[in-house]
Order: sequence, then C-alpha cells, then structure tokens
Amino acid sequence: DADVTQTPRNRITKTGKRIMLECSQTKGHDRMYWYRQDPGLGLRLIYYSFDVKDINKGEISDGYSVSRQAQAKFSLSLESAIPNQTALYFCATSGPGIGETQYFGPGTRLLVL
Amino acid sequence: EDKVVQSPLSLVVHEGDTVTLNCSYEVTNFRSLLWYKQEKKAPTFLFMLTSSGIEKKSGRLSSILDKKELFSILNITATQTGDSAVYLCAVGDGGSQGNLIFGKGTKLSVKP
Repeated sequence: DADVTQTPRNRITKTGKRIMLECSQTKGHDRMYWYRQDPGLGLRLIYYSFDVKDINKGEISDGYSVSRQAQAKFSLSLESAIPNQTALYFCATSGPGIGETQYFGPGTRLLVL
Repeated sequence: EDKVVQSPLSLVVHEGDTVTLNCSYEVTNFRSLLWYKQEKKAPTFLFMLTSSGIEKKSGRLSSILDKKELFSILNITATQTGDSAVYLCAVGDGGSQGNLIFGKGTKLSVKP
C-alpha cells in the first residue's frame, strides 16, 4: 500500500466551483505539505503544516485554503476555482527533522475550465 | 533570495551514455540537498546529501555535494531508456523551518 495517497487522482471542474483535494499518509509523520507543479516552473509550495495545530502559508497560498483534520490527513481546498489553478498537485510528508526527506503522493491532476 | 538552479534544463542522450546533472544553490541556512526522479507520477526519492565530498551511490546513479562551492551533481552511467524522466534537486532550508526549495528540474531523454 502507498504511504501517501491522494484523492481524487484526476478532476475536471468549472470556474467558480469549490473543490477539495485530500491527502492521507501512513508514515506517522507530523509534517505535511501541498505543492503545485506547472510546466517549466517546477514545484511550488502552497501550504505546509508541522503538526495538527500548526499551518503555514507557502509561496503561492492565495486562492487556496487547507485543513489538517488529523495527523494523517491534510486537505487542500480551492474556494473558487479559476483556470490558472489548472496544475498537478502533490501532497508530501516528512519526519520532524529540519530538511528531512519528503515523501510524495501520486499527485492530483486538476483541470479548471 | 533563496534559490536552486539546475542545469541543463533538458538533455537528450543515447543509451549507454553517461550524463551529469548539475544543481547549484543559494540558501540562507542550508541543511540538506535531495535528488528526486519524476516520471509521469509523483517524484521518487533518490538521494539525500548533507556532507561535502561523500559520494552516495545506488546502482548506476551517484551523487556528491560540494558545500564550499554550493553545488551538487547527479551522475547516471550506462543510461537506459527507463532513466528518461525529470530529475529534481531540492534544498532543505533550516531557516524556513525545514521546507524544501526545488529547482525547475532537468528533463532527461534517453533514446534507444
């Protein structure tokens, strides 16, 4: 079984809709992250959470919100989706040490029409 | 501003060739450097480097870090078509509480 799972794997939505991307992990890590990947831009950090009560904005948090429901679950929401949020979204987890390896989920491919 | 720069951005080689991918960085509070391989799905962890001059090796892949000159290289020998992927370099920045700063990646294409 995968250590980091994301649902859905693919999603098509319309401009203005609210959608939620979910991430679950079985690695027992406290730290979780949401990234988006766009062609030619690499990975960019949206939000990160170091434990259930600690949530921080990343580079590109505008238009997104997150919820850390439990140690193992970290959800990303697009409150009102827009076409430039079309991207590949990755969830990741890591152990408590600074700079520790991040383990990625399989990604969610989102298309906003 | 912290940054991670990878070069080349893309590379086309033939099977059997050896390739070297480069990653240079400017990070306020360096903690670690990581290499990932990304095919059509999520990135796969390759190496994590924290100390200068110590080569990490796994099969045909190896990597080394130079903390004085602020760069790392990833070598792939005897390339195979299955090595075709985007290779990502990321630096762990202790100053930003452990987040990773990613480069844009090097797209490697290995032709038969």
